[in-house]
Amino acid sequence: AQKITQTQPGMFVQEKEAVTLDCTYDTSDPSYGLFWYKQPSSGEMIFLIYQGSYDQQNATEGRYSLNFQKARKSANLVISASQLGDSAMYFCAMREGRSFQKLVFGTGTRLLVSP
Amino acid sequence: SQTIHQWPATLVQPVGSPLSLECTVEGTSNPNLYWYRQAAGRGLQLLFYSVGIGQISSEVPQNLSASRPQDRQFILSSKKLLLSDSGFYLCAWSSGGANEAFFGQGTRLTVV
Repeated sequence: AQKITQTQPGMFVQEKEAVTLDCTYDTSDPSYGLFWYKQPSSGEMIFLIYQGSYDQQNATEGRYSLNFQKARKSANLVISASQLGDSAMYFCAMREGRSFQKLVFGTGTRLLVSP
Repeated sequence: SQTIHQWPATLVQPVGSPLSLECTVEGTSNPNLYWYRQAAGRGLQLLFYSVGIGQISSEVPQNLSASRPQDRQFILSSKKLLLSDSGFYLCAWSSGGANEAFFGQGTRLTVV
């Protein structure tokens, strides 16, 4: 079974609008972490935001926020005030347990920001 | 600050040839190190991880191997490349106390 599911292969948004990228996860481990990474066309993976399973509040980093709904096992990324430079692939990932980082990635969502 | 270097950036190799991709981390000690592969249009798949010198764990059976000869050096190798080994290979590191993993720039490998 897929541990990380990203159901949107592609998303379009206009500049300055907000966009939500969906991510659902599956784990029986009570301790886990959820990540979002951005991959521009250059290929590097850029860390955006992290949410721990025990964190009470939704994570925020600048224009990025993570809408964490634990009961629904969803961890959607919200990008506010989209910019042209936000056009990229976005990957949701999960770490199970605490011992070390073993990230399981979703298949990604390609975001295109138009002027 | 910590940095991760991965090379080469691109590589075209014939089927049956050997492979060696190198990754080094600076500015930290005893990092956890990882090799991921990304097939075209797909997410990342963890290939190997290492929590210390000489300690390698393989996540999927394959034609590749990994080694960690030094604390901050991680090498991905193959004795004989297959066409199916083509892809984008990313090295990453994390520290025990941190939450995120940091990635190198990646190597785009094309086996012809």
